[in-house]
Amino acid sequence: EAQVTQNPRYLITVTGKKLTVTCSQNMNHEYMSWYRQDPGLGLRQIYYSMNVEVTDKGDVPEGYKVSRKEKRNFPLILESPSPNQTSLYFCASSSAVGYGYTFGSGTRLTVV
Amino acid sequence: DAKTTQPTSMDCAEGRAANLPCNHSTISGNEYVYWYRQIHSQGPQYIIHGLKNNETNEMASLIITEDRKSSTLILPHATLRDTAVYYCIVRVPHRDDKIIFGKGTRLHILP
Repeated sequence: EAQVTQNPRYLITVTGKKLTVTCSQNMNHEYMSWYRQDPGLGLRQIYYSMNVEVTDKGDVPEGYKVSRKEKRNFPLILESPSPNQTSLYFCASSSAVGYGYTFGSGTRLTVV
Repeated sequence: DAKTTQPTSMDCAEGRAANLPCNHSTISGNEYVYWYRQIHSQGPQYIIHGLKNNETNEMASLIITEDRKSSTLILPHATLRDTAVYYCIVRVPHRDDKIIFGKGTRLHILP
C-alpha cells in the first residue's frame, strides 16, 4: 500500500532532550515536507526537500533540522526541544509531476 | 500569508451538493489550484487539482472561473463522512515546494 509512515505517533519528552521523528515513503516520491499544526494557526511548513540532499526552509524552521540522505526518508530532528514545539506534526510526500501530497498520520509531540 | 481566501465555515445537508468557494485573485499563470481536506486530526487528504479547465474525479469536481481568480470545489452528494476542514491552496509544481495552507473552510454536513 502506498503510504507515508511517521514514527512515533505519540511522544512525550522533556525540554532539551534531543529527538528524531522519522518519516518514510514507499512511493519513490521526489518531494517531501514537514508541517506542524497548532490550534488557531493551521498547518505551517517547517522544511521541505525537492530531492536527495536538497532541503530548504519553510515558514517555521527555527529549532528544527532535517536531512535527506535517501529518497524514501526525511527525518525531523529537534536538537533541543522546547515547550513551544509541542504540536501535531505531519510529514508529506509528492511526486515531481505536481500531483497532490500524501500525508502521514501525524505525530503528536508534547515537550514538558 | 496564504494566497487564498475561503469562508471560515459552511453547512450542507446530507445528500445535497456541497459547494465550497475559494478566492485566489493574485494567482499567477503557472500556479495550479489544489484542494485538500482534513478530517479531525488526521493527515490532510488530497482531493483534486487543476490549472484552468474544470476537473472531476471520484471524490469531487473542481470548477475554475475563466479569469482563474476563484474556484469552487463540489462534493456532489455530501455524506456525514465529508465533515472536515477543506483547504484550497495555489502552487507551482516543479518549482520550490513552499506551500502555504490557509485556515480552510470547516464544512459541517447536517443529517
